[in-house]
Amino acid sequence: AQKITQTQPGMFVQEKEAVTLDCTYDTSDQSYGLFWYKQPSSGEMIFLIYQGSYDEQNATEGRYSLNFQKARKSANLVISASQLGDSAMYFCAMREGQRNYGQNFVFGPGTRLSVLP
Amino acid sequence: DVKVTQSSRYLVKRTGEKVFLECVQDMDHENMFWYRQDPGLGLRLIYFSYDVKMKEKGDIPEGYSVSREKKERFSLILESASTNQTSMYLCASSRLGPNTDTQYFGPGTRLTVL
Repeated sequence: AQKITQTQPGMFVQEKEAVTLDCTYDTSDQSYGLFWYKQPSSGEMIFLIYQGSYDEQNATEGRYSLNFQKARKSANLVISASQLGDSAMYFCAMREGQRNYGQNFVFGPGTRLSVLP
Repeated sequence: DVKVTQSSRYLVKRTGEKVFLECVQDMDHENMFWYRQDPGLGLRLIYFSYDVKMKEKGDIPEGYSVSREKKERFSLILESASTNQTSMYLCASSRLGPNTDTQYFGPGTRLTVL
């Protein structure tokens, strides 16, 4: 069963508008972390934002915020005031596992965001 | 800044060749990972390692092996390259700690097997 679901293969947004990228996850662990990464056409993976399973407040990092709804197991990324440079693939990922054994990251299939001028 | 480096950005090999992809990180991270990335499939974990000489299979280990003789270095080996192993390969590292720590990625190696 897929642990991370991103239902939007591609999204378009007008420059300066806000956009929400969806992510739902599945885990039975109580302690886990949720991450969003950006991958521009150059190929490098850039860490954007993190949300811990015990965090009560939604994470924010500049123009990025994470809409965390634990009961629904969703962790949507919100990008405010989109810029042309935001055009990229975006991956949602989850980290789970036991500290003294080894922890794994699971990635979703990604959403390709295109920002239109 | 954390730095993860990979030995090549682009690599072209022939079917049947033995291929080594090297990854080095400079932040004393315990965990290291090898992924392959294909369009529409996202990142799929091949192998990971949480300590020297320790390795764990990921989702798609068939056709690959790994080696971790030193903490900072994690090698991916294709014993006999095949055309279906043409892909982007990404190495990553992270601390062995609470699930709050992100992974740091290398720039990737785009491998073509002819």
